[in-house]
Amino acid sequence: AQTVTQSQPEMSVQEAETVTLSCTYDTSESNYYLFWYKQPPSRQMILVIRQEAYKQQNATENRFSVNFQKAAKSFSLKISDSQLGDTAMYFCAFRWSTGNQFYFGTGTSLTVIP
Amino acid sequence: SQTIHQWPATLVQPVGSPLSLECTVEGTSNPNLYWYRQAAGRGLQLLFYSVGIGQISSEVPQNLSASRPQDRQFILSSKKLLLSDSGFYLCAWTNGYEQYFGPGTRLTVT
Repeated sequence: AQTVTQSQPEMSVQEAETVTLSCTYDTSESNYYLFWYKQPPSRQMILVIRQEAYKQQNATENRFSVNFQKAAKSFSLKISDSQLGDTAMYFCAFRWSTGNQFYFGTGTSLTVIP
Repeated sequence: SQTIHQWPATLVQPVGSPLSLECTVEGTSNPNLYWYRQAAGRGLQLLFYSVGIGQISSEVPQNLSASRPQDRQFILSSKKLLLSDSGFYLCAWTNGYEQYFGPGTRLTVT
């Protein structure tokens, strides 16, 4: 099975500041996708951002961006101008490009402090 | 646009009772479908996934089962619930790239 590691169980950030959540993964394949999902207190899982492994350019979605380091097998999420609504559990996920299964990390609980 | 529904939203069942959770997807055809379970404050555990009608892959041997009677319908069942079956159950579908999740069912076994 694939391994996706999120080494930060809990983090906090001041409102309007920037925070980076870490994720590493283990694979010998070269074609895969990486994702960050957000799970707010409502527990609805929401896709935040996606990165294709063959793309060198880091994905960006508004205040959310990733730092994808393929050689290091690292996929961190940066949240800029943090807002109270960013308070949530964040999950990193991996999927082979030809596979059916998604592999999730254990999550990082982020709290935005007003 | 695509929509995924799950029901019920909340369920309280006694130990030993049966279970049926339903998930349906609208706006797409032949999706891959998934059932996950999430314990409080924990990550996602993949229970079952399906790539087509009648095709079910089980990831965790337990007293749960899944069925896909129609293309966009996925059902999670149990004949006799255990206390350890309590948790938050999420259904998801994929378009081949991202995975999209339903609102979830909170199951408490008493």
